[in-house]
Amino acid sequence: GIQVEQSPPDLILQEGANSTLRCNFSDSVNNLQWFHQNPWGQLINLFYIPSGTKQNGRLSATTVATERYSLLYISSSQTTDSGVYFCAVEGYGQNFVFGPGTRLSVLP
Amino acid sequence: DAGVIQSPRHEVTEMGQEVTLRCKPISGHNSLFWYRQTMMRGLELLIYFNNNVPIDDSGMPEDRFSAKMPNASFSTLKIQPSEPRDSAVYFCASSGQYSNQPQHFGDGTRLSIL
Repeated sequence: GIQVEQSPPDLILQEGANSTLRCNFSDSVNNLQWFHQNPWGQLINLFYIPSGTKQNGRLSATTVATERYSLLYISSSQTTDSGVYFCAVEGYGQNFVFGPGTRLSVLP
Repeated sequence: DAGVIQSPRHEVTEMGQEVTLRCKPISGHNSLFWYRQTMMRGLELLIYFNNNVPIDDSGMPEDRFSAKMPNASFSTLKIQPSEPRDSAVYFCASSGQYSNQPQHFGDGTRLSIL
């Protein structure tokens, strides 16, 4: 099945800093989504982005499907951005697979 | 708008007992997913329904696990008999037609099997 890698596994930032999270996948995909799991365990959908670029406030994401990676950008980070960020992909005829996540800690 | 609703939020039971987890998807969504999250294995897709029909249950770990979706507004995940290794957080998610739409998750059920 399709393999998903995320980097870095852990990231510690000072409030106000910018960051880039990366997701690599091993096969062509028709579905890619980014999620944020907050410290209370809730999973929030950030982006549905199988290709191209999207922006939502301080967050933006870019997927380069031909090169099999996606990037999530967080600008002017806030303490409420802390949590785990997951990339999840679905290959053609394959199941939806979550990556291992990037754990982000934003310090005040 | 109401999001995905799961019940119970927490369940603690003894090994061997039957466990039933419940999910109400977002109204109008056609696809429903059950996931399990553990420290060791991360988030795993267990089963996926589209228009109330199970499409792929290859992630269901064993015959002790079963899932049903009798109508568009309700699904259950049942474990019988339960074992300590089933302890995990179980999430339900729903999306529009087919799986390649944004998925919206419930708050999860934290299951502990003693």
